[in-house]
Amino acid sequence: GQNIDQPTEMTATEGAIVQINCTYQTSGFNGLFWYQQHAGEAPTFLSYNVLDGLEEKGRFSSFLSRSKGYSYLLLKELQMKDSASYLCAVLDSNYQLIWGAGTKLIIKP
Amino acid sequence: GAVVSQHPSWVICKSGTSVKIECRSLDFQATTMFWYRQFPKQSLMLMATSNEGSKATYEQGVEKDKFLINHASLTLSTLTVTSAHPEDSSFYICSAVAGGDADTQYFGPGTRLTVL
Repeated sequence: GQNIDQPTEMTATEGAIVQINCTYQTSGFNGLFWYQQHAGEAPTFLSYNVLDGLEEKGRFSSFLSRSKGYSYLLLKELQMKDSASYLCAVLDSNYQLIWGAGTKLIIKP
Repeated sequence: GAVVSQHPSWVICKSGTSVKIECRSLDFQATTMFWYRQFPKQSLMLMATSNEGSKATYEQGVEKDKFLINHASLTLSTLTVTSAHPEDSSFYICSAVAGGDADTQYFGPGTRLTVL
């Protein structure tokens, strides 16, 4: 079956760095998305990786290793507003989105 | 875990026709379902919130007469795109919230609509 795994919850300190991991097993691969979702709001697009490597976008970076079925989202200089759920989703061979359950990130002062 | 399915996964239709997309919660009862539209590499745009047994609440700018939403049961919501046009071509994604856990949305795999 198809599966996306990411930690349920993580806690980090304001100003620090946190890495949220996502591992996947899917039938085919057409890219991996990271979304940020604040409670009660629609998910916000953060990144899309389809090739191996690291993509940096401001304080957020996303890494992909297709051979390992692994991605991570790296958040630097954490701010209180970064407290949210982070969703990992993979586009499979049929261009269907397979969603992870989300990682709730709690930022402490 | 909670599973949400969508049907069809991919649909191609002619301009002017109507297309119905189903969203089902397979192993839980969903008091609320959300319909989103996604443009390539962009955020999910919330179209409407669907509550079982009541009329959907549409976001500003979303035509309720064009995007008909029906949440007839606790496990099924449908989105009908009426008189579809090429600009309606998009990826439509639904999500569902279980009755007792309002903070967690379970997302469907999406339906890719192409209007010729």
